Parts: sequence; structure tokens; C-alpha cells
Amino acid sequence: EDKVVQSPLSLVVHEGDTVTLNCSYEVTNFRSLLWYKQEKKAPTFLFMLTSSGIEKKSGRLSSILDKKELFSILNITATQTGDSAVYLCAVFSYQGGSEKLVFGKGMKLTVNP
Amino acid sequence: SQTIHQWPATLVQPVGSPLSLECTVEGTSNPNLYWYRQAAGRGLQLLFYSVGIGQISSEVPQNLSASRPQDRQFILSSKKLLLSDSGFYLCAWRPRPHRDGYNSPLHFGNGTRLTVT
Repeated sequence: EDKVVQSPLSLVVHEGDTVTLNCSYEVTNFRSLLWYKQEKKAPTFLFMLTSSGIEKKSGRLSSILDKKELFSILNITATQTGDSAVYLCAVFSYQGGSEKLVFGKGMKLTVNP
Repeated sequence: SQTIHQWPATLVQPVGSPLSLECTVEGTSNPNLYWYRQAAGRGLQLLFYSVGIGQISSEVPQNLSASRPQDRQFILSSKKLLLSDSGFYLCAWRPRPHRDGYNSPLHFGNGTRLTVT
């Protein structure tokens, strides 16, 4: 069974701290790994990673994939209170003739002022 | 640009009552459509997905069903709700994958918070 595991499940930090979110996976026929940010409603897309070792960056957020060790990390530098959210990791796998997106349980980040 | 609409935003229904949640996508054609449920501490669980009109795949056996009567419309239904159906339901779409295997991220609607009492 496909599995995506995120750690830690929750984290409380102070503004300005740097955080690293971890995501490991075991899936059939890996296609890509995605990170989402969910505040109150719709998860919003952050990154999609398909190749090992290539960092994707957007402002203070960056992410990298290791396909050999089957994990990804999401880094947030100089955190702000607006970074408080649930961060979701998900993996596209291909099975039974279709692609499916399997999610981890999410990591709740709280950034205190 | 593409947009996804999902309604209602919140719903409180008694046990045994029927359910109908609707989702529509604008600005694209032939999208893949998805229904997910998010329960506290359990992440997003895929319920149904559809690659075309009338084509529905079910991931989890339950008392819910889905239909796709039009290309950009996806409906989640139940004839009789259970307490365990409470949760946050999310509709999502993405473009049909290309032959070369390129895939694109899912884009989510704002969700429906369902409480079964």
C-alpha cells in the first residue's frame, strides 16, 4: 500500500526561526512529489518535484527531493506568523492505469510572534 | 484562468438524510476531477476520481457515490448519511496528463465542512 509519512506532525517556533519539514514515501511507480500549504480551506500548491537533487525555491521557501532515499524536505527560513498553516506532502504514483495522489497526514506549523 | 467552485461551504445534516455536494470547474476542458475527504488527524483521503463524463473510480467502499453529468461538473452524493460521514470534503481538478507522462498539481476548491448530527 502506498504510504506518505510526514514528520514532525506539529511544530511551534518563533518568528525568525528556520524550520525543516520532512516527508518520506513508499509508493508504486513514483511520478512526482508535491508540497501544499493549507490555512483554513483549500490547500494551495507550493512545489512539485520530479528530479533528485534539484532544489525548488520560492522566496523563503525551498524544497528538495532525494529519490534514492525516498524523501523530501521543505525549508522555511526567517519564518513569519503568516507561515502558520498545515503543510501537506503528497506523492503521485502510477498504478492500475491511472495516476493517484496520496497525501501524508500533514504537519501543523505555528509561528509565534 | 481556471477556477474551481464548490458549494455549500458548510452543511449540517441529520443522520439518515441525503447529501449532494457540487463542484464545477471553469476555464478548462476535459479535466481530471477528484473528491477528497479530510478528517482530523488523518490527512486527505481520496474518495473518487473521474477522467471523463460518466467515468467514476471509487477508492474507498462507503455509502457515498459520485457522478459526473457534465465535463466540468462533479457531484458527491449519499442516500443516507452516517455520523462517520462528517468531515471536510474537498473537490480538486487538474489538466488531463500528457502522453509523455508529465503531470501537473491538483488545484483544490474551498471545501465543504459537513457535520452529521
